Amino acid sequence: SQKIEQNSEALNIQEGKTATLTCNYTNYSPAYLQWYRQDPGRGPVFLLLIRENEKEKRKERLKVTFDTTLKQSLFHITASQPADSATYLCALARDFGNEKLTFGTGTRLTIIP
Amino acid sequence: DAGITQSPRHKVTETGTPVTLRCHQTENHRYMYWYRQDPGHGLRLIHYSYGVKDTDKGEVSDGYSVSRSKTEDFLLTLESATSSQTSVYFCAIRQQGYEQYFGPGTRLTVT
Repeated sequence: SQKIEQNSEALNIQEGKTATLTCNYTNYSPAYLQWYRQDPGRGPVFLLLIRENEKEKRKERLKVTFDTTLKQSLFHITASQPADSATYLCALARDFGNEKLTFGTGTRLTIIP
Repeated sequence: DAGITQSPRHKVTETGTPVTLRCHQTENHRYMYWYRQDPGHGLRLIHYSYGVKDTDKGEVSDGYSVSRSKTEDFLLTLESATSSQTSVYFCAIRQQGYEQYFGPGTRLTVT
């Protein structure tokens, strides 16, 4: 089965800096990878999806990269703000016909003012 | 807002009792999912549904059953609750772009 590791359980970043979160996977290469944000006591919220044949995706201050050789995705938040503090989850799908997502355990990001 | 509600939001029950959690959606999505979230394990898929009466097992399905008799409702049943099933349960639907939208969660405590 797929194993997913997110770089660290917790990450503290100074406000205004770029936060970089890592998602590493083993075994099969996923058809697509997603990133979610989760605030305490709430359900995850979808942020970005990147497909196997895409190298990079951007959305406002967010950027995701996908390196199938390294089996790794990086998630960047530029010009970070205290409101970006949350837990960020990566999730993989084996292929577009398989509707199951496998989630990592998440990285708790704190932006320090 | 994908119009997902979960009920109850909080429940405390005793070991050995049956428990049913309900997920309700208002937008006619085909795919619905039940996850549990525990510290150190992240989100794990219990069961999912790809249509009325069509369901399949996830990673941690033992001790759980599901039913989907209507498009809008997906029920998760713990036949005989155990303390290891104390968790936060999330329902989700899948949008056409493959992203999932999650409900607010149900916090279940089995004593």
